[in-house]
Amino acid sequence: SQKIEQNSEALNIQEGKTATLTCNYTNYSPAYLQWYRQDPGRGPVFLLLIRENEKEKRKERLKVTFDTTLKQSLFHITASQPADSAIYLCALSNSGYALNFGKGTSLLVTP
Amino acid sequence: DGGITQSPKYLFRKEGQNVTLSCEQNLNHDAMYWYRQDPGQGLRLIYYSQIVNDFQKGDIAEGYSVSREKKESFPLTVTSAQKNPTAFYLCASSSSGRSSYNEQFFGPGTRLTVL
Repeated sequence: SQKIEQNSEALNIQEGKTATLTCNYTNYSPAYLQWYRQDPGRGPVFLLLIRENEKEKRKERLKVTFDTTLKQSLFHITASQPADSAIYLCALSNSGYALNFGKGTSLLVTP
Repeated sequence: DGGITQSPKYLFRKEGQNVTLSCEQNLNHDAMYWYRQDPGQGLRLIYYSQIVNDFQKGDIAEGYSVSREKKESFPLTVTSAQKNPTAFYLCASSSSGRSSYNEQFFGPGTRLTVL
């Protein structure tokens, strides 16, 4: 069966450090993978999209890697800030018409 | 000011009643989606529509119905046949139906509680 797995345990890090979140998938052959941020009680907000032929993508303090051999994406936030505390969701699709989301990883950045 | 609106933010329903959740977008997007989120869970797709007057079932469509009569609107009806309707419902849209390479824009959500 198809699975998208993200760290189920919350990630607690100190302000200024780099946060690394993992997304592993099975029985998908996605051409693209997306990352979203969700704050409690609100809708997710798109952060980054990476294509299968891109090894790495950056946007300001965010960096995403995509390894189709390992079937894994890593999401990094450098110089983390308390305002980065949220749930981070990865999402991908086989069909291209509907996204499947992981359960998300909760990140807490403490001062 | 473009975006997606959902109403109401909180909704209470008695068991056995149907209820309709509203979703409107002014982003001129072709595709719209409905997701359900339960505590500690990811988003699960209920229905999606790539174009007006067309929609497809997602992974958990049983007990739900939708319509897409206008490009801007994609209402979701939670019927009495839905066994466990208490959840957080999210509507989203994207510029085309090939959502895997188009970001989705989400509304603020409707929290439905069945009493």
